[in-house]
Amino acid sequence: ELKVEQNPLFLSMQEGKNYTIYCNYSTTSDRLYWYRQDPGKSLESLFVLLSNGAVKQEGRLMASLDTKARLSTLHITAAVHDLSATYFCAVSNFGNEKLTFGTGTRLTIIP
Amino acid sequence: GAGVSQSPSNKVTEKGKDVELRCDPISGHTALYWYRQSLGQGLEFLIYFQGNSAPDKSGLPSDRFSAERTGGSVSTLTIQRTQQEDSAVYLCASSPRLAAQYFGPGTRLTVL
Repeated sequence: ELKVEQNPLFLSMQEGKNYTIYCNYSTTSDRLYWYRQDPGKSLESLFVLLSNGAVKQEGRLMASLDTKARLSTLHITAAVHDLSATYFCAVSNFGNEKLTFGTGTRLTIIP
Repeated sequence: GAGVSQSPSNKVTEKGKDVELRCDPISGHTALYWYRQSLGQGLEFLIYFQGNSAPDKSGLPSDRFSAERTGGSVSTLTIQRTQQEDSAVYLCASSPRLAAQYFGPGTRLTVL
């Protein structure tokens, strides 16, 4: 059974600081996703990572994938308040596109 | 363009009643998914439709839950004889094959 773990679950950080959210998964997978969810809102796709060593960046967010370690990271650079949200990683198995989600990381950026 | 839409946005029902939740996917997306999100269980997969293939129902929690997708487009998730533990936000997503899933706004179901 595929399991996905994220840490930390909660993260408060000051504006301008850097931090990393970690996503570990239990079995080999062909695709890893990062989503953002604002309070009371639905999920917004941020990144799709398809291969070992993949790195994608959008603004202050950068995601990477190490398939050998079964680890993805979401790095936040020089955080700003509007990055406050809950971030989820999700993994799909080979041949089946249903997603198994991590527990989510609630990120709060403090001025 | 239009995103995934879901209706109703909120549904309050009494225990034991049946409910139907609707999802309109993005036009042209071949895959459609239902998930639910609750405080205790996080985000859980329920069911997945891909084109004309048989749906993957492996995430449905009981036989009270069913879903259909008509004409390869609109989908309805039906919960029979609702229980309080069914209270959650039900999310629908659609995608082209082998691509990121686009989520709808969800239906918040409250079972009294």
